[in-house]
Amino acid sequence: GDSVTQMEGPVTLSEEAFLTINCTYTATGYPSLFWYVQYPGEGLQLLLKATKADDKGSNKGFEATYRKETTSFHLEKGSVQVSDSAVYFCALRGSTLGRLYFGRGTQLTVWP
Amino acid sequence: NAGVTQTPKFQVLKTGQSMTLQCAQDMNHNSMYWYRQDPGMGLRLIYYSASEGTTDKGEVPNGYNVSRLNKREFSLRLESAAPSQTSVYFCASSIDIGYTFGSGTRLTVV
Repeated sequence: GDSVTQMEGPVTLSEEAFLTINCTYTATGYPSLFWYVQYPGEGLQLLLKATKADDKGSNKGFEATYRKETTSFHLEKGSVQVSDSAVYFCALRGSTLGRLYFGRGTQLTVWP
Repeated sequence: NAGVTQTPKFQVLKTGQSMTLQCAQDMNHNSMYWYRQDPGMGLRLIYYSASEGTTDKGEVPNGYNVSRLNKREFSLRLESAAPSQTSVYFCASSIDIGYTFGSGTRLTVV
């Protein structure tokens, strides 16, 4: 079945460091891929998405490229800020009635 | 503001009590979902509704029931709460690949 495997955290970085959070997936067909962010005490917000192979999603300095050959969708940011501290979830939109499958989440903490 | 509204935001129940979590969306989305979030587990689907009048089980439906009252509202009921149902519950709605999540209900069962 469809599933997402996400790099476990927590991840702790200094401000302006480079961020990578790994995400790989298993799916039949051609899924859409997402990164969601959850700030403390809040719900999930869509960070970026990609709907087909080789698409690059980007938002707020974050990027992820849909790699079908490696079934991956790694999240990257060149220079993190304290305000990026949050939990990040990789997700896949499966073929079954459009439901989302989530990874377990990665806690990111950025220190000044 | 358009979006998904969940009530209540916080709730404490005693084991065996019942309660209903309410969810409403005003975006005219067809599909609605209930997820639970537990530490280290990500979000797991409890139930979903692809359209008004239909509901289906997700990964972890045991101990829960749902009602899709109309296109706007999708409620989640715990008939006899158990400590294992202590969690944060999120409702979401979608159209095509656009999902919107509510702000969550933090439920503690003692």
